[in-house]
Amino acid sequence: QKEVEQDPGPLSVPEGAIVSLNCTYSNSAFQYFMWYRQYSRKGPELLMYTYSSGNKEDGRFTAQVDKSSKYISLFIRDSQPSDSATYLCAGRGYGQNFVFGPGTRLSVLP
Amino acid sequence: EAQVTQNPRYLITVTGKKLTVTCSQNMNHEYMSWYRQDPGLGLRQIYYSMNVEVTDKGDVPEGYKVSRKEKRNFPLILESPSPNQTSLYFCASRWGTGVRNEQFFGPGTRLTVL
Repeated sequence: QKEVEQDPGPLSVPEGAIVSLNCTYSNSAFQYFMWYRQYSRKGPELLMYTYSSGNKEDGRFTAQVDKSSKYISLFIRDSQPSDSATYLCAGRGYGQNFVFGPGTRLSVLP
Repeated sequence: EAQVTQNPRYLITVTGKKLTVTCSQNMNHEYMSWYRQDPGLGLRQIYYSMNVEVTDKGDVPEGYKVSRKEKRNFPLILESPSPNQTSLYFCASRWGTGVRNEQFFGPGTRLTVL
């Protein structure tokens, strides 16, 4: 079993839709969780991080962590074509290295 | 501009021909890493370095070498490349190991080993 799992997609939605991206993880030592966005032919860039269960909001993006079920979500409101990218979730424990999921490819259609 | 640079961006080579992928960062970061990205497997860490002359293995180090003689540079060396090392490689750097220390990735090097 991979430590972090994601549905690879592709996920296609119309512009303006609410997008829900999800990950599950198996390592109970994970304390911190991150979402990265990766555009085609580019390196990943950090979108959001959180270190506790609950929600964290940043503009149109909301990250949600449920440690009891080992479930991580990223919600994108009012999705835009510029949000079309691959979204990677990652987890890490104290002093540990990052473990990334395989990514979900998202297409937002105009 | 703060950035991580990698060269070359694209490389096609043959089995057994030694190659080096360079990585350089201009942010005075202590921590640098190399990852490979493969479809369905995500990013997997190859090697990392916590400072000059300090390197350690990541999750998939076999067939790779690294060195950290200067803080800004962290080259990845494939002494005898094989086709299973065909992948997309990313160098990354961050200030330290704290969670708030954002990890910056380079643009990637697409390597094909024939």
